[in-house]
Amino acid sequence: DIVMTQSPDSLAVSLGERATINCKSSQSVFYSSNNKNYLAWYQQQPGQPPKLLLYWASTRESGVPDRFSGSGSGTDFTLTINGLQAEDVAVYYCQQYYDSPLTFGPGTKVDIK
Amino acid sequence: EVQLLESGGGLVQPGGSLRLSCSASGFTFSSYVMSWVRQAPGKSLEWVSGISGSGAGTYYADSVKGRFTISRDNSKNTLYLQMNSLRAEDTATYYCANSGELYNHYDYWGQGTLVTVSS
Repeated sequence: DIVMTQSPDSLAVSLGERATINCKSSQSVFYSSNNKNYLAWYQQQPGQPPKLLLYWASTRESGVPDRFSGSGSGTDFTLTINGLQAEDVAVYYCQQYYDSPLTFGPGTKVDIK
Repeated sequence: EVQLLESGGGLVQPGGSLRLSCSASGFTFSSYVMSWVRQAPGKSLEWVSGISGSGAGTYYADSVKGRFTISRDNSKNTLYLQMNSLRAEDTATYYCANSGELYNHYDYWGQGTLVTVSS
């Protein structure tokens, strides 16, 4: 199985500042035949189901604010929230969909400082 | 608007059975792979099972293989998960989610249904 790790476990950021979350996969999730990274990011607000934010590592889902961005390739990925808003308080998960079983990271909790 | 609504969760004793349902609307149900993903209290997400749009292909995590059965009724736009021989470690909120392909991100998630396995 591909193991996903995330860092940090949690972080507190002031409103309007930048939050950066890292995700690492135990093997590459880059598929060279289509030049895509099989990596998604989800946001789970308290008491809610997960919500898709980004897929193919950097493509924003429709309706997701542009303060959310994703980068990285192969085994190392980053989710950046530029200008943190109060509604961004949540747990963020990365997920690989390169190989079965599809696996998720342990999550990173983002709070307001 | 895409809607996924799970039902059927509850309290069950170890060794017992439960059937979860997920009613879907707002998209062409038969065109999508459907999956069950669970989340134990305070934990991360774990893929449990998936089924192709036609229902011909079914897939399971090793942790539930032989105990859980996924199925779908495309005429009713409904996904099911039959859970047998339940264990304490199956306690979790179970979400249904859709995706365009088996190896793909999950576009939409339901609100989840809580399954508690305890004596």
